[in-house]
Amino acid sequence: AQTVTQSQPEMSVQEAETVTLSCTYDTSESDYYLFWYKQPPSRQMILVIRQEAYKQQNATENRFSVNFQKAAKSFSLKISDSQLGDAAMYFCASHNGGQNFVFGPGTRLSVLP
Amino acid sequence: DTEVTQTPKHLVMGMTNKKSLKCEQHMGHRAMYWYKQKAKKPPELMFVYSYEKLSINESVPSRFSPECPNSSLLNLHLHALQPEDSALYLCASSQDPRGGASTGELFFGEGSRLTVL
Repeated sequence: AQTVTQSQPEMSVQEAETVTLSCTYDTSESDYYLFWYKQPPSRQMILVIRQEAYKQQNATENRFSVNFQKAAKSFSLKISDSQLGDAAMYFCASHNGGQNFVFGPGTRLSVLP
Repeated sequence: DTEVTQTPKHLVMGMTNKKSLKCEQHMGHRAMYWYKQKAKKPPELMFVYSYEKLSINESVPSRFSPECPNSSLLNLHLHALQPEDSALYLCASSQDPRGGASTGELFFGEGSRLTVL
């Protein structure tokens, strides 16, 4: 069974600073995907970044990047130059190619002006 | 078109009412999902339809009845709900890996906020 853990229920960051959100996962599959989703108060879940497990290179999307440590089963999200609009719930999720997406409990990120 | 559209955005119903939530996507995705989300919690999977057939039912009470009329539409019929069923109901879709190349991600709608009185 897949599990996803986010050990930080809440985080805060000063505007323009950098913050890292932690995620660890467990899976017995050799091929899987990892995701970070953002859910602002407007409530729609939006994909932030995606990582295929077979790719060694860490994914990046503009100010968002991940540190994927496959052996340690760790998948942290780094947000650089934080903006007020980054304030949201962030969910880490894994997907093994079937139809079961497993979400972590979420981290609430506040951005301080 | 990369949207998943859900209606209504808000719904208030009594415990004896019958109502339906609707979801539509035109991305050619063959897997569609219903999730229930309580405040400050992750989405909880309810149902999955794959190629218009129910493939996963996560032991959801029968007062929730899903329906997939075609590959673009997904409904959730509600009847005799309880106040604890009040939640945000999210619809999502994904390319089914069995159909070939897949990005593996879920595309979510904005959700339907349900309040049961």
